[in-house]
Amino acid sequence: ETGVTQSPTHLIKTRGQQVTLRCSSQSGHNTVSWYQQALGQGPQFIFQYYREEENGRGNFPPRFSGLQFPNYSSELNVNALELDDSALYLCASSLAGYLSEQYFGPGTRLTVT
Amino acid sequence: AQSVTQLDSQVPVFEEAPVELRCNYSSSVSVYLFWYVQYPNQGLQLLLKYLSGSTLVKGINGFEAEFNKSQTSFHLRKPSVHISDTAEYFCAVSAHRYNQGGKLIFGQGTELSVKP
Repeated sequence: ETGVTQSPTHLIKTRGQQVTLRCSSQSGHNTVSWYQQALGQGPQFIFQYYREEENGRGNFPPRFSGLQFPNYSSELNVNALELDDSALYLCASSLAGYLSEQYFGPGTRLTVT
Repeated sequence: AQSVTQLDSQVPVFEEAPVELRCNYSSSVSVYLFWYVQYPNQGLQLLLKYLSGSTLVKGINGFEAEFNKSQTSFHLRKPSVHISDTAEYFCAVSAHRYNQGGKLIFGQGTELSVKP
């Protein structure tokens, strides 16, 4: 059974640029959630996707957007990058159901200069 | 809305000593409670969760936690820690929802440092 994978591992972008982060769900999972973890902080919920539709969103501006594909993999897109967007971005997959455990990937470390 | 407060940002402890990591939460609705561990340069791993039933929950690696509804607390304990327990620990809550797994609200984290 393959766990949650994320790519790239690290990347550096310049303020104002756009970035796309990718996540492959654990086999059999149909729900993906994205979290932002700033240095020294706990993860913060960005949004969740279920069956290719956004299913809940945290307190993040519209320049944070996402996609979920038919194979349940997902992308997180961030436009007009700001310095404060520098963080570890975590993807978690789960099987639909309110008691479902979320399995986290290793994260993508984004640095905005 | 929900919030989580982890009362200690850093907890240093000697190997084989007991440890307690404290977590309080606030919520206007019923919640599920979780503890996650994050090792350096890794994602989060679930240690244990409280969904319902017995208030004492046992997890992996010898950890346990007790849900106290009146004090809105969910403290994590281990009777004897190992060097390998050195990591960041996060308490999290999720509001009860009918459909897909709810979003997790995390605390700020507690850095557990086990010294020989």
